[in-house]
Amino acid sequence: EVQLVEAGGGLVQPGGSLRLSCAASGFNFGDYAMHWVRQTPGKGLEWVSGVSWNSGSIHSADSVKGRFTISRDNAKNSLYLQMNSLRPEDTAMYYCTKDIGRQLLPTFDSWGQGTLVTVSS
Amino acid sequence: DIQMTQSPSSLSASVGDRVIISCRASQDIGTYLNWYQQKPGRAPKLLISAASSLQSGVPSRFSGSGSGTDFSLTIASLPTEDFATYYCQHSFTIPPAFGGGTKIEIK
Repeated sequence: EVQLVEAGGGLVQPGGSLRLSCAASGFNFGDYAMHWVRQTPGKGLEWVSGVSWNSGSIHSADSVKGRFTISRDNAKNSLYLQMNSLRPEDTAMYYCTKDIGRQLLPTFDSWGQGTLVTVSS
Repeated sequence: DIQMTQSPSSLSASVGDRVIISCRASQDIGTYLNWYQQKPGRAPKLLISAASSLQSGVPSRFSGSGSGTDFSLTIASLPTEDFATYYCQHSFTIPPAFGGGTKIEIK
């Protein structure tokens, strides 16, 4: 059974940083692209960033470009999101998601339970 | 970027009703269209990919159709457990985008 477990969310002041992590199990992590998707009550679901199986292809939404960095460690079956220069509008539930193939397709066939990030002073 | 528009944003239905949700893309996306179901407090779940391909384990009462810019999700006969919010999402390009969601409530 595919399991994705996020961690690292919390309360942070505007301008601060957080690093989210996602521990994957139940599938061959190194064979799939992975993504971060966030959700807010106001803006709904928003794709944040994605990384291909070998980190050869990385893309991010314009709203986070230059501030957020996605990365992965296939040896540790883990996905990461380094979030810098956080803004109140980054407040959301952040989901780790699995793609259906090695490249960025992007079709999210498994989701973690989410980790809540709150940016507020 | 491609925008996705769902309609209606909410609907009231009764158990056993046939429900159709619409999704429109701002440009031709072929059949690069996915549907998700989300229940309160839970993560979204992929129901249908490539416009009409049912995911393994998803009941056959769900079906998807359409291509180009207009798509629909049909629930043939609504059971209690399907009262939830449904989202469409295109996978045609980066960035992918989701529709605003359709919440199905009990009449």
